[in-house]
Amino acid sequence: GQNIDQPTEMTATEGAIVQINCTYQTSGFNGLFWYQQHAGEAPTFLSYNVLDGLEEKGRFSSFLSRSKGYSYLLLKELQMKDSASYLCAVSDSNYQLIWGAGTKLIIKP
Amino acid sequence: SQTIHQWPATLVQPVGSPLSLECTVEGTSNPNLYWYRQAAGRGLQLLFYSVGIGQISSEVPQNLSASRPQDRQFILSSKKLLLSDSGFYLCAWSVPGLVAGELFFGEGSRLTVL
Repeated sequence: GQNIDQPTEMTATEGAIVQINCTYQTSGFNGLFWYQQHAGEAPTFLSYNVLDGLEEKGRFSSFLSRSKGYSYLLLKELQMKDSASYLCAVSDSNYQLIWGAGTKLIIKP
Repeated sequence: SQTIHQWPATLVQPVGSPLSLECTVEGTSNPNLYWYRQAAGRGLQLLFYSVGIGQISSEVPQNLSASRPQDRQFILSSKKLLLSDSGFYLCAWSVPGLVAGELFFGEGSRLTVL
C-alpha cells in the first residue's frame, strides 16, 4: 500500500530551527509537496520538490532524497505564527496526491 | 487573480438529512476541481475530482456525490447523511494541464452530523 509517515507533533522555541521529517512509500513518484495548515483553516502551499536536493524559500527550506523516500521541511528563525500543522503529500504514478496526517508544530516563547 | 470560495463555513445536520456544499472558482478557466475530506489525525482524503463540466471521478465509494454544472462550480451532495460524514470538507482547484500542480484550497466547511 501507499504510505506517508510524519511525526504527529513537535515542539520548538521561538527563534530556533526545527526540522520536520517525512518518509514515503508510494507507487511511483511525481513530486513531493509541503503545505502549512493553521487550525481551522485550509492548507496553503509551501514547497514542491521533484529532484533530489534542497529548495530554499526564505525561512523555509525543503529537502528531498528519492532513493531514500525521504523529505524534510526546515523552518528557521521560528516565529509564533509558524504554529500550525505541516502536511507532506506525494504525487504518485497516477499523479494523485497521497497525504500524510500532518505534523502539529507548537512554538513556545 | 484567482480566488476560490466555498460555503457554508459550518453546518450542523441531523443524521438522514441532505447535504449540499458549494464551491466556486474565479479568475481561471477549466480548472481541475477537487473535494477532500479531512478527519482529525488523518491525512486529506480525496473524495471527487473533475477535469471538466460533467466529468466527475469518484475515489471513495460512499453516500456522497459531486456535480460540476458549470466550468467553475463544484457541488458536493448527499441525500442522507451518516454520522461518519462529519469532518472538514475542502474544495480545491489546480491549473489545468499541470499533472502535478499546486492545489489551491477554499476556506473549508466543517460538517457535524448529529
